Amino acid sequence: DTGVSQNPRHKITKRGQNVTFRCDPISEHNRLYWYRQTLGQGPEFLTYFQNEAQLEKSRLLSDRFSAERPKGSFSTLEIQRTEQGDSAMYLCASSLVGQANSPLHFGNGTRLTVT
Amino acid sequence: GESVGLHLPTLSVQEGDNSIINCAYSNSASDYFIWYKQESGKGPQFIIDIRSNMDKRQGQRVTVLLNKTVKHLSLQIAATQPGDSAVYFCAEREYGNKLVFGAGTILRVKS
Repeated sequence: DTGVSQNPRHKITKRGQNVTFRCDPISEHNRLYWYRQTLGQGPEFLTYFQNEAQLEKSRLLSDRFSAERPKGSFSTLEIQRTEQGDSAMYLCASSLVGQANSPLHFGNGTRLTVT
Repeated sequence: GESVGLHLPTLSVQEGDNSIINCAYSNSASDYFIWYKQESGKGPQFIIDIRSNMDKRQGQRVTVLLNKTVKHLSLQIAATQPGDSAVYFCAEREYGNKLVFGAGTILRVKS
């Protein structure tokens, strides 16, 4: 399978704990995005990278959230001091910049439950 | 699987009928639009896209129509099948290739 891979698929954590998610994009894609999706809503943009550079962060991304893409390949999203409101599906997507039409290809997400 | 779309609009169609899912977008400067299908427990799956310099694009069993005058996008699915049952999202591209998603529509196909 050469699609976007996310791990873990599910994470249950207690409030106040830190969690880290990993995303492996499609190998030739140079852009990587993180989105968050809550029940009954469309995905909401959090941040994106072009290669290793983080180019934009949403106002949704509080200072408890940090994302990295150190070598321009896989990315991690860390949430510190989790809160119950962080419970959501965290989706990663990748695309190839330079193409006129470059749809985002999504992984199957990491579902976070904060108890 | 998860239960999504508790408050999303729902379209119910009979198997074999055609489906039309509508979407209103917000940014008149958006230049690229995409339809995604999302099944329970999975990420959004690309269906079809269209650039703003077009008003219609066809794929296999799917057609996207774009009306920039009223900022309206529609997805037509021909001969709807049970496997088409899912939540459908339209998305518009803002600067930086960032996509902004609409609220979604549940499609239920009755056999």
